[in-house]
Amino acid sequence: QMKLEESGGGVVQPGRSLRLSCAASDSTFSDHGMHWVRQAPGKGLEWVALIWYDGSTKQYADSVRGRFTISRDNYKNTLYLQMNRLRAEDTGVYYCARAALTTLDASFDNWGQGTLVTVSS
Amino acid sequence: QSVLTQPPSVSGAPGQRVSISCTGTSSNIGAGFDVHWYQHLPGTAPKLLIYGNIFRPSGVPDRFSGSKSGTSASLAITGLQADDEADYYCQSYDSSLTGAVFGGGTKLTVL
Repeated sequence: QMKLEESGGGVVQPGRSLRLSCAASDSTFSDHGMHWVRQAPGKGLEWVALIWYDGSTKQYADSVRGRFTISRDNYKNTLYLQMNRLRAEDTGVYYCARAALTTLDASFDNWGQGTLVTVSS
Repeated sequence: QSVLTQPPSVSGAPGQRVSISCTGTSSNIGAGFDVHWYQHLPGTAPKLLIYGNIFRPSGVPDRFSGSKSGTSASLAITGLQADDEADYYCQSYDSSLTGAVFGGGTKLTVL
């Protein structure tokens, strides 16, 4: 099964930027939509963003729209999340997850282990 | 406040049956979008438990089952085991929000 590995997390000041990456282990990456999901400390899972397999469709949660940008490079089997104007409430573990099907309500059938983002001065 | 409503916690003794509800609205579950369930242990990757309302991925025991009716869905776990203790989340799609949505999560305690 395809493995997903996130990287790029760390400590960043409010208002600054950070880019997360999610490397997939094989080329079936280009056949699947991909999501970012986050979990704030002590809170539940929150969906962040979706990009379709070919990059043609992107969707964002209201809480990040206009600040975060999801993208992908199918030649590098890598998903990205560019996070700008970061806020304290963006702190949490960020997971990349694979969409099982090319439908809006597809399940997330494969997850990475997550990378921690801490927004603090 | 999550779009999908789950009870914060449920509990049961080993061997018993528990059920976790997931209540949505006419723009998500009630609109016919599929409901999926995930098991999440702290510090690990969430695991897909039920997809397409009722289907189990390969390797998930048949002690886990899902159902959906109207604007609600449920996850049932029979023959509770100690290692079922985890957080459980429902997930669907919301056409008004144009994005995926999760329930707030339910912490299962095996007594």
